[in-house]
Order: sequence, then structure tokens, then C-alpha cells
Amino acid sequence: DSGVTQTPKHLITATGQRVTLRCSPRSGDLSVYWYQQSLDQGLQFLIQYYNGEERAKGNILERFSAQQFPDLHSELNLSSLELGDSALYFCASSPLTGRGNEQFFGPGTRLTVL
Amino acid sequence: AQKITQTQPGMFVQEKEAVTLDCTYDTSDPSYGLFWYKQPSSGEMIFLIYQGSYDQQNATEGRYSLNFQKARKSANLVISASQLGDSAMYFCAMREGRVGGRRALTFGSGTRLQVQP
Repeated sequence: DSGVTQTPKHLITATGQRVTLRCSPRSGDLSVYWYQQSLDQGLQFLIQYYNGEERAKGNILERFSAQQFPDLHSELNLSSLELGDSALYFCASSPLTGRGNEQFFGPGTRLTVL
Repeated sequence: AQKITQTQPGMFVQEKEAVTLDCTYDTSDPSYGLFWYKQPSSGEMIFLIYQGSYDQQNATEGRYSLNFQKARKSANLVISASQLGDSAMYFCAMREGRVGGRRALTFGSGTRLQVQP
């Protein structure tokens, strides 16, 4: 158990819908990262928050947005869903110190868009 | 250009034998970190080992060791005495920039390892 929690574990929805994925980082970790793992794109970085502020953006679509709340949990919002958005979405957190800022991954949310 | 390249889509190894999973990387940043993660069929990402660009010695964590060849820009993972439970996808990843910079990871495409009894 990495200490990072993600809910829900599975999500099945239809095209055009909007969903929210939730992540709670490890206690004390201020950084939260969101990654998408799909068959065609592999594992790619979407967005990072640090202590409530957006820190970096990767290959995140405009239909996607995220935020980090004062209690440090984070939500990833996906809207106008398309079939190609079906993927495993990971949240990770990292401490300020440690082995190269190792990132601890949550169990992931598997999103299926029908 | 690919920043992390894993050229072996799949590998087989006999139980109790050692196996090397290849990873090459590309960066112009003198400070970087290299990571290996394991992803079993259940889907979670499990951290295995880390090597910093300035580390003088190769990293080791139990049965895992990282063969770091800086001039060749390679960071191969060596698993000794393979076990059936080692069957999984293995990802090499890189963080560019100094430790503490809190940068995101760039992942390779992964290698699927199957350990045979």
C-alpha cells in the first residue's frame, strides 16, 4: 500500500459525459501528479499540483481540468468524454525529500467510456 | 525524440535465473534521476529502484540492481534469482532536473517480463 488513495476504482460512463476522479496523497506530501495510461499513448503525465497551485502541465486536453484543495486532496475532471479517453488514470504524490523525489502511485481509476 | 527507450516489448526468463531489462534515456540536463517501476496485472505501480545522475555507485535494492552507464545513457534493471511473482510490466522513468525540483516523470513504453517455472 503506497498510502495514496484514489476513488473510484472503476468508472463506466457514456460519451459526452463528465466525471470526477479523486485522489488523496500520502500524509505530508504536498505534490500531486496525474498520469494517464492508455494502450496507444502509454503512460503520460497530465498535470501537477504543489500545495494547491498548478505547477506543471503535460499532455492534458482542454476538456480535462484539475485542482488541489486546501486539505491537499486533488480532483481530475474529465468532460465531453470520448471513447479514446478510456484509460487507467493514476495519481501520484512525492515527498520533499527521499530517493530522488520518488513518486508514490495510487491504485488508479480505470475509466471506460462506452 | 523519445526520452526513455525500452527496446524489449517482452522477455522470458526461467525461475531462479537473472534477467536484464534495458533502458536508454536522452537528456541534456546534467541533473536527473532514473526510476524503475513494476506494474503487475492488478495494475498498481510499484517503485523498485532509483539512480541519481551524480550517484557514483550503482543502486541496489534487494534482488534489484541498476546497471548505470552514464556515458552510454543507459540504466538497465537487473533482477537476480527471478521469482514467479516477478512476472509483470516494468517501466523505466526519468525525472529531469535536480532532486527537490518536483518534476514529473517521463516513462518508457515498458517491458513485459514473464517468469517461467
